[in-house]
Amino acid sequence: DAEITQSPRHKITETGRQVTLACHQTWNHNNMFWYRQDLGHGLRLIHYSYGVHDTNKGEVSDGYSVSRSNTEDLPLTLESAASSQTSVYFCASTEGTQGTEAFFGQGTRLTVV
Amino acid sequence: GENVEQHPSTLSVQEGDSAVIKCTYSDSASNYFPWYKQELGKGPQLIIDIRSNVGEKKDQRIAVTLNKTAKHFSLHITETQPEDSAVYFCAASTGSARQLTFGSGTQLTVLP
Repeated sequence: DAEITQSPRHKITETGRQVTLACHQTWNHNNMFWYRQDLGHGLRLIHYSYGVHDTNKGEVSDGYSVSRSNTEDLPLTLESAASSQTSVYFCASTEGTQGTEAFFGQGTRLTVV
Repeated sequence: GENVEQHPSTLSVQEGDSAVIKCTYSDSASNYFPWYKQELGKGPQLIIDIRSNVGEKKDQRIAVTLNKTAKHFSLHITETQPEDSAVYFCAASTGSARQLTFGSGTQLTVLP
């Protein structure tokens, strides 16, 4: 069965370190997204991609970057981790060019100490 | 950009009662409105969605209504069961934008 997986599930890192969160999908979807989930804010869009070599900034992109070298993967990098980036991160994918179901990964809980 | 507001933030109901969660959106161009359920420790999962050319959609105990004029949409869950306890998110997107803008979520608790 097709799926979307994130790794690691949990990560503790120190302030100032670079961290990369992985997202891999086997749906063959063109569209991939990274969200962060914080209490009271719901899910906020960080970055998204509509295809290979395409990346776009979302609502809360400062301090994050992504790259899309193939269809399956969209890694999220925190260039210099800050305590404000402690959150739960979700990756999602969709197909097509109109509104369709988003499939989410299980999430990565990141703690910056 | 799009802004989606969701109310209430928490909702407790007795098992068997109905639950209603409401959302408003700001962008009149939005035309796709999904609802997601998130269980503890898991990613959100789609439970029902509606497009702007439809006013109501039903799937067993779950229904969604859309009022385009007022720019609001609602999730209705009837005959609630303990397994309905979860966080529910509404979302909206326009036809040209493939990304979703989410509401802040509602923690639904169904009391036995």
